[in-house]
Amino acid sequence: GQQVMQIPQYQHVQEGEDFTTYCNSSTTLSNIQWYKQRPGGHPVFLIQLVKSGEVKKQKRLTFQFGEAKKNSSLHITATQTTDVGTYFCAGTGTASKLTFGTGTRLQVTL
Amino acid sequence: DAGVTQSPTHLIKTRGQHVTLRCSPISGHKSVSWYQQVLGQGPQFIFQYYEKEERGRGNFPDRFSARQFPNYSSELNVNALLLGDSALYLCASSLHAPSYNEQFFGPGTRLTVL
Repeated sequence: GQQVMQIPQYQHVQEGEDFTTYCNSSTTLSNIQWYKQRPGGHPVFLIQLVKSGEVKKQKRLTFQFGEAKKNSSLHITATQTTDVGTYFCAGTGTASKLTFGTGTRLQVTL
Repeated sequence: DAGVTQSPTHLIKTRGQHVTLRCSPISGHKSVSWYQQVLGQGPQFIFQYYEKEERGRGNFPDRFSARQFPNYSSELNVNALLLGDSALYLCASSLHAPSYNEQFFGPGTRLTVL
């Protein structure tokens, strides 16, 4: 079945440093969504990408969908303590089922 | 408007018992999906319902079942509970099919099986 992996599993940065998480699917995706889950909370939708090579920005966050539609990335510029949480990508494959990635846990310290 | 609500918040059961989890979607949302999230992992898709019909099923045993009611609320049932069923069960609603639409998650039900 479809598998979606993310690297790294965990990253610890100092406030102000940049952060990137990478998402790789075993199959071609029709679209990809990104969610953030704060400790003890539930996933919250961030963005959806649909087109090959698409890049979208939300303030300090930049999302990219790969040309082959099998990978994606999330880059955060100048991290803040409010960015702490686990970031999940979730992709839709041929089965029209949303498969979540393994997640990247981000810790930010002052 | 209220967000997605789930009940109960926490639940403790013993092996072999049965459990029913409930979810109320955001008003106007016709799709409800259920996910199981084990500590430290991403949510795993269990079921999707849209317009009261099952539209998708994940790789879970037949002990797991669900349904959607005319008011679009949903129940997830798990029979013959195993220790491995201990997890956070998340319900998510979306306006249309969740694969292509933003999903709004509820706070989840934390199930502990002893």
